[in-house]
Amino acid sequence: QKEVEQNSGPLSVPEGAIASLNCTYSDRVSQSFFWYRQYSGKSPELIMSIYSNGDKEDGRFTAQLNKASQYVSLLIRDSQPSDSATYLCAVNLSNKLIFGAGTRLAVHP
Amino acid sequence: EPEVTQTPSHQVTQMGQEVILRCVPISNHLYFYWYRQILGQKVEFLVSFYNNEISEKSEIFDDQFSVERPDGSNFTLKIRSTKLEDSAMYFCASSRRTTTGSNQPQHFGDGTRLSIL
Repeated sequence: QKEVEQNSGPLSVPEGAIASLNCTYSDRVSQSFFWYRQYSGKSPELIMSIYSNGDKEDGRFTAQLNKASQYVSLLIRDSQPSDSATYLCAVNLSNKLIFGAGTRLAVHP
Repeated sequence: EPEVTQTPSHQVTQMGQEVILRCVPISNHLYFYWYRQILGQKVEFLVSFYNNEISEKSEIFDDQFSVERPDGSNFTLKIRSTKLEDSAMYFCASSRRTTTGSNQPQHFGDGTRLSIL
């Protein structure tokens, strides 16, 4: 069974702080990794993609990948109340996405 | 920005009835997918479709399910005889693929909420 594991949260951070979201995956063959944001009752919205080891930055978001440790993370700098959502880690395996259960982030003013 | 569109947004159907969910993928995308999310649970892969045929399907995608690309723009999911446990959000997604073969991000539609009574 190919698994993607995330802490369900909620992760509560104050406005302006850094939110750190973590994800581990079980299949070493995986080469493509994605973070999606899902507001309640809405569809997954792509935030970041990462394909190689190291950091990838896009605005307030930084994705980090460590294939040796089978670990992906997402950092959100200067967190805003509008960032409050569930963040889904997804791993591409044979061109299908395997999703984690998501981490609920709550940013409080 | 181009987006995946899904219709209807909400479908209510009696158990045992057939239902067709419709999707219009992003126009230059070649790969199409269906996922579902039961309330409070993970997003689950159902099926992927490329070059007018199924490329992969999950255990969930049994004989009651089928997909079709009836024309150049639509991509449909049919459930032949719905069951109560088919109640879920159904998401269509599409992606393109680079010449290097890397997996490009999948972009999701807003979903169809299917309620089986």
